[in-house]
Amino acid sequence: KAGVTQTPRYLIKTRGQQVTLSCSPISGHRSVSWYQQTPGQGLQFLFEYFSETQRNKGNFPGRFSGRQFSNSRSEMNVSTLELGDSALYLCASGAPNTGELFFGEGSRLTVL
Amino acid sequence: AQSVSQHNHHVILSEAASLELGCNYSYGGTVNLFWYVQYPGQHLQLLLKYFSGDPLVKGIKGFEAEFIKSKFSFNLRKPSVQWSDTAEYFCAVSPISGGYNKLIFGAGTRLAVHP
Repeated sequence: KAGVTQTPRYLIKTRGQQVTLSCSPISGHRSVSWYQQTPGQGLQFLFEYFSETQRNKGNFPGRFSGRQFSNSRSEMNVSTLELGDSALYLCASGAPNTGELFFGEGSRLTVL
Repeated sequence: AQSVSQHNHHVILSEAASLELGCNYSYGGTVNLFWYVQYPGQHLQLLLKYFSGDPLVKGIKGFEAEFIKSKFSFNLRKPSVQWSDTAEYFCAVSPISGGYNKLIFGAGTRLAVHP
């Protein structure tokens, strides 16, 4: 079956702009969570959506937001981009009742 | 605050050597425990997990991990590594109250296995 699909894979933005990243989970998975990966901070939890509702949230400023659609696809948005937002953003799809997360390949954001 | 500490950032081994990667976590409540692996150029994938029961869990590719509750540890082991085990390994915990999908990751350990 198809894995977790993230788009775009790479993007470059400038400070002050905003960006939207998309994630399509594995068919049948209703949970989608987002993580930020940087060399300095490692992997950090952003938020999790389940059945279109945000179920968990990490310690990120309000510039980071997300949503989930009725087909379980999810988007995350970062507004007023800062240089420090440069990172690999990973989406993970949650298998029902197993606690296993399936990660996508990520969207690499560079902020200039 | 909840945190996960991985003892080694870089490990270099020869093939057939034994591997043990340390992981300790800081959290007062009950947690689920995971080890994820990221092979070069690939996405993160689950190696093994512990929820409850036998504290010695076996995962894919001959890996195993032991949960020692009194030490807040969840160390990863493999008796004999192969070149194909070269990867980055991440320990992660998920507080039960937070649900399955809120993972707190360690900084990762880069393992290089030489033929």
